[in-house]
Amino acid sequence: DQQVKQNSPSLSVQEGRISILNCDYTNSMFDYFLWYKKYPAEGPTFLISISSIKDKNEDGRFTVFLNKSAKHLSLHIVPSQPGDSAVYFCAASYAGGTSYGKLTFGQGTILTVHP
Amino acid sequence: DGGITQSPKYLFRKEGQNVTLSCEQNLNHDAMYWYRQDPGQGLRLIYYSQIVNDFQKGDIAEGYSVSREKKESFPLTVTSAQKNPTAFYLCASSIFGGPHNEQFFGPGTRLTVL
Repeated sequence: DQQVKQNSPSLSVQEGRISILNCDYTNSMFDYFLWYKKYPAEGPTFLISISSIKDKNEDGRFTVFLNKSAKHLSLHIVPSQPGDSAVYFCAASYAGGTSYGKLTFGQGTILTVHP
Repeated sequence: DGGITQSPKYLFRKEGQNVTLSCEQNLNHDAMYWYRQDPGQGLRLIYYSQIVNDFQKGDIAEGYSVSREKKESFPLTVTSAQKNPTAFYLCASSIFGGPHNEQFFGPGTRLTVL
């Protein structure tokens, strides 16, 4: 059962334009969401997070939007740069029970930014 | 420089052999995690430890074992019971095992079983 889904395996964007990466989740208990960026043969690096009490969080070129009613979050990158080309994973967690602190990851979206 | 070290980067083993993957962190983090990544899939949790001398199974613990004798170290053993051991293995840590903590990842070990 895939509780966190990234339905777009890949996304191609022109340099300078906006990149929008999407993520859907099914478990309504999730209350914290994170985005990670990963280059090939390296570990993921944390990008940005959002708590369920917010609907938007911004950090420089990166903004994450959360729509709890739709169980959907998105990552906006503006403007996109060639160095942003990587795999992006969304992840979710919640407090309580045996899942305390555990992150559930989506399948990832490969972002390619063309010069 | 604080961080997470995984060694080796590439590991080859014959089928039927146990192999241990190393993970060390000097971030003074309480919690540590092991994930597995397969092509086209997200990261799946194998084991995690919120404190020294304690650990819990993740979603895909069968065929794996761990120990947490020191705060800095969380080695993962891939046993011969693991049916499909070839994968990219990632170790992570967080300040404590709470739900709202970002996890910091090591560079990973690619294990190939021949």
